Amino acid sequence: KAGVTQTPRYLIKTRGQQVTLSCSPISGHRSVSWYQQTPGQGLQFLFEYFSETQRNKGNFPGRFSGRQFSNSRSEMNVSTLELGDSALYLCASSLGWASGNSGTQYFGPGTRLTVL
Amino acid sequence: SQQGEEDPQALSIQEGENATMNCSYKTSINNLQWYRQNSGRGLVHLILIRSNEREKHSGRLRVTLDTSKKSSSLLITASRAADTASYFCATVSYNQGGKLIFGQGTELSVKP
Repeated sequence: KAGVTQTPRYLIKTRGQQVTLSCSPISGHRSVSWYQQTPGQGLQFLFEYFSETQRNKGNFPGRFSGRQFSNSRSEMNVSTLELGDSALYLCASSLGWASGNSGTQYFGPGTRLTVL
Repeated sequence: SQQGEEDPQALSIQEGENATMNCSYKTSINNLQWYRQNSGRGLVHLILIRSNEREKHSGRLRVTLDTSKKSSSLLITASRAADTASYFCATVSYNQGGKLIFGQGTELSVKP
């Protein structure tokens, strides 16, 4: 099976702009989670979608939003970009609800976002 | 917010040696997982240990979990240069909504 894919892999934006990142999970996986990784804060959970519904949310401002489509593909949107949003954004998919005891998540290669 | 704290932050060893990384956490958990990340790329799941398990093996990996001390360790035996990567522990707690909460990671360098 193909792994988790993320597009684009690299992105450069300027402050104030908005950005949309895309994630295609492993075929058959219904859960997609998003994480932000920065040198200062490490890996932080953004949100999780399962069957098109947001099931869990981290402590990020409302500028960060997401959605999931009926084919389980997910998009993440960041509006009014700030310099501090520069990070590696990782998505992960799992078969069932990731927050269940199975827990294993399969990560994509990430999208490196640079905000100038 | 970080749940796990990893120790050491960086570890440098020679090929063939064993590498041990430790992870401590604060709240009760349902399971703990270890992931590897090569140089700013995606994470690879290594092993999951449930709160009612004490030890688990997978190939050259051995993970222990001590819930009374709220700590876990990852042992990589007979390390190889290809094991050079960052290693993260991540906890899952149902009372925190079941999301993965990562530690800051240990950077392992294995010299040939």
